[in-house]
Amino acid sequence: EPEVTQTPSHQVTQMGQEVILRCVPISNHLYFYWYRQILGQKVEFLVSFYNNEISEKSEIFDDQFSVERPDGSNFTLKIRSTKLEDSAMYFCASSYGLAGTDTQYFGPGTRLTVL
Amino acid sequence: TQLLEQSPQFLSIQEGENLTVYCNSSSVFSSLQWYRQEPGEGPVLLVTVVTGGEVKKLKRLTFQFGDARKDSSLHITAAQPGDTGLYLCAGANDYKLSFGAGTTVTVRA
Repeated sequence: EPEVTQTPSHQVTQMGQEVILRCVPISNHLYFYWYRQILGQKVEFLVSFYNNEISEKSEIFDDQFSVERPDGSNFTLKIRSTKLEDSAMYFCASSYGLAGTDTQYFGPGTRLTVL
Repeated sequence: TQLLEQSPQFLSIQEGENLTVYCNSSSVFSSLQWYRQEPGEGPVLLVTVVTGGEVKKLKRLTFQFGDARKDSSLHITAAQPGDTGLYLCAGANDYKLSFGAGTTVTVRA
């Protein structure tokens, strides 16, 4: 069964460093998402991406965040200058249709630890 | 901001008992999805409900979407220790999911 994959599974970085989290969505899906989950808290929406553009972003997704689909298969989340509060699990998800009409499938997550 | 309230937050029952988890909101959603999440892993889809009043069954799990598409419930019949986990509801609109905080279910053998 097709699945969303994410790399790395765990990333440790120093405060102020840039990190890139990578995702390979399900191959025929058209909509791509990033969510995060701080330890002990609920899953929060960050951004959605369709047709090489951001469709919607949350207030969390400020100027230090960016997303890209560089080669038609990977979907990346870049954090330019990490902060301690960026430590969280980051989940990539994809869907064939809009979130309101089609199911989102989640990857296993990348645990980001900012020291 | 679309808020989803899940209740109860924690639920501990004996094997063989039934349980119900509730997911409520003041917002209308196009669809509602139920996920199960294991520690350190991503949410795994259980079911998507789309139509108001819809009832879906998945073996011993029954999911219901409210008529007004604002609330949902998950009912487990004759719970087993393998049902232990974190159950999340998520309301869908346009380009995103809004998650509830989850219900931690523990089924004791």
